[in-house]
Amino acid sequence: DAGVTQSPTHLIKTRGQQVTLRCSPKSGHDTVSWYQQALGQGPQFIFQYYEEEERQRGNFPDRFSGHQFPNYSSELNVNALLLGDSALYLCASSPTVGYGYTFGSGTRLTVV
Amino acid sequence: GNSVTQMEGPVTLSEEAFLTINCTYTATGYPSLFWYVQYPGEGLQLLLKATKADDKGSNKGFEATYRKETTSFHLEKGSVQVSDSAVYFCAGIYGQNFVFGPGTRLSVLP
Repeated sequence: DAGVTQSPTHLIKTRGQQVTLRCSPKSGHDTVSWYQQALGQGPQFIFQYYEEEERQRGNFPDRFSGHQFPNYSSELNVNALLLGDSALYLCASSPTVGYGYTFGSGTRLTVV
Repeated sequence: GNSVTQMEGPVTLSEEAFLTINCTYTATGYPSLFWYVQYPGEGLQLLLKATKADDKGSNKGFEATYRKETTSFHLEKGSVQVSDSAVYFCAGIYGQNFVFGPGTRLSVLP
């Protein structure tokens, strides 16, 4: 049973560009959350998607947006990249009922 | 807002030493509590969890007890190994989302 799959694993972007990160949740999970982990810090909650809608949002600017598809997979989009957006982006999935929070291995984004 | 605080690292121990990493949490709603471990270049792995007061989570020799009176969830291991070297994160679920501590880097020397 595959866990949470994220792609790509690494990428480098230039300041001002836009980036899209992808996440496939664990089988049986319908809720996807995104976290940003800056170097040397704990992960910070960006937003959560359920039933193709953003259900909750952390303290991140509108440059960060997302989408959830009917198959429960999700994308995180970041516009107008800043150097400070360089981080490990973690996706986590969970089921509606019961506990089963599973994290992916993350996408490491470097903005130069 | 809600917060999780843990001891600052890095922590350096000799193999077979006793480990304690302190963690305290905001008691709003008495969240479920977790310890996650992150090895270099990898994502987060669940180490253990506890969902209510006095619960003890345990895994791979690590233990943590959910203390309501002290709002704490300290991580302990009686005898650490070199392979335990990693960053450890304490976290709580508030509503639907995790709030993480800043992480504690542990280095175990042979």
